[in-house]
Order: sequence, then C-alpha cells, then structure tokens
Amino acid sequence: EVQVLESGGGLVQPGGSLRLSCAASGFTFSSYAMSWVRQAPGKGLEWVSAISGGSGDYTYSAETVKGRFTISRDNSKNTVYLQMTSLRAGDTAVYYCARTPTTVVTYYFDYWGQGALVTVSS
Amino acid sequence: ETVLTQSPATLSLSPGERATLSCRASQTVSSYLAWYQQKPGQAPRLLMYDASNRAAGIPARFSGSGSGTDFTLSISSLEPEDSAVYYCQQRSNWPPTFGQGTRLEIK
Repeated sequence: EVQVLESGGGLVQPGGSLRLSCAASGFTFSSYAMSWVRQAPGKGLEWVSAISGGSGDYTYSAETVKGRFTISRDNSKNTVYLQMTSLRAGDTAVYYCARTPTTVVTYYFDYWGQGALVTVSS
Repeated sequence: ETVLTQSPATLSLSPGERATLSCRASQTVSSYLAWYQQKPGQAPRLLMYDASNRAAGIPARFSGSGSGTDFTLSISSLEPEDSAVYYCQQRSNWPPTFGQGTRLEIK
C-alpha cells in the first residue's frame, strides 16, 4: 500500500526556519517525482515545490517561495524534505507531500499524505 | 499564470441525482487537466487525470470531459459520500495551478 507521511510541522516565528519531512513507503521511491502542495486555512490548494525522481537532479519551486524554500530527497531513507527559511505569515498552511506517478516532474499527484500544519506567528 | 475558474461555487443535490461541475481555464491547457476530491480534514484524492482518465480505484460514475479551456466533471447517481470539495488542476502551463473549488453538498 502506497503511503506518504509528513512530519516536522509546528509554530515558528516570522523570519524563522523549519524543515518538513515526508516518509514514503509501498512503492519504489526513487522512481517517482515528488511535490509539496500547501493549503492555507479555509483556502484552496497551491503547488509549492517539486523534485524529479532518480537523483533528484531537477527541482522547481513556485515564485512565491523561490529563494526561501528548498526541496530535496534522500532515496536511501525514502524521504523528501522541504527546507523553509525566511518564513512569513502568508506561509501558514497545511503542507501536503504528494507523489507524481512518473520519474520526471509532470505536475499531477496520485497519492497524498495527511499533511503537516505550519503556523507562522509571533 | 493560468487561472482556473470553477462553477458553481456550491452545488446542493439529492442522492441519485447527477452532478455537473465546470472548470474554465484562462488559456488553453490542452487536455492536461486533473480533478481532485477533498473531504473535510482529509487530503485531496485524485479522481481524473488528463481530462477524461479515471485514476485507480475511482468508480465509473465519475467521468470527465473537455479540452482546451472548458472542462466538466460529472458524477452520475450521487451518493452521500460524494459530499466534498472538488478542485480542478492544470499541468499544461507552468506553474501548475488549481481552481478555487466547488463544494458539493448532498441533501
């Protein structure tokens, strides 16, 4: 059974940093691209970052987080990460980890985790 | 970026009825459109991809159509568990974007 499980969410002050982790199981992790998608409280969905399968040589990020968020993967741990820096109140959201059913980044998402809540507030 | 506009915002129907949800793109997305279902407190679930292909495990009463800028998700013979917010998402133009959602209520 395919499973993805996020961790690392919490409360952080504006300007602070946080790293989210997403542990995957039930599939050959290295063969799949992965993404992070967020949802602000009571709002819709926003794609954040994506990383290709294999060595993760290709990464992409939305303009709203470019230069502040970094996506990476460790295939030996079946885990993808989202390093978030210079956090702002507008980054407050549930962050979902999602699998793309291809090795290359094709931007649709067939399995999602339950999400990790990140709250940016003083 | 490509803006996806979903209509109606809210749809209230009875069990057994047919639901028709619309998604309109601000520019062509070819057939690269997906639909997701999200129930309260849950993660989104992929229903359809590339406009008309059902994802694994999705019942046949869900169907999708359209190309270019106009797309439709149809749910025949509604069941109580279909109550959810439905989002469309395009992957044709970077960045990938989602619609604002249609809330489907089952009376």
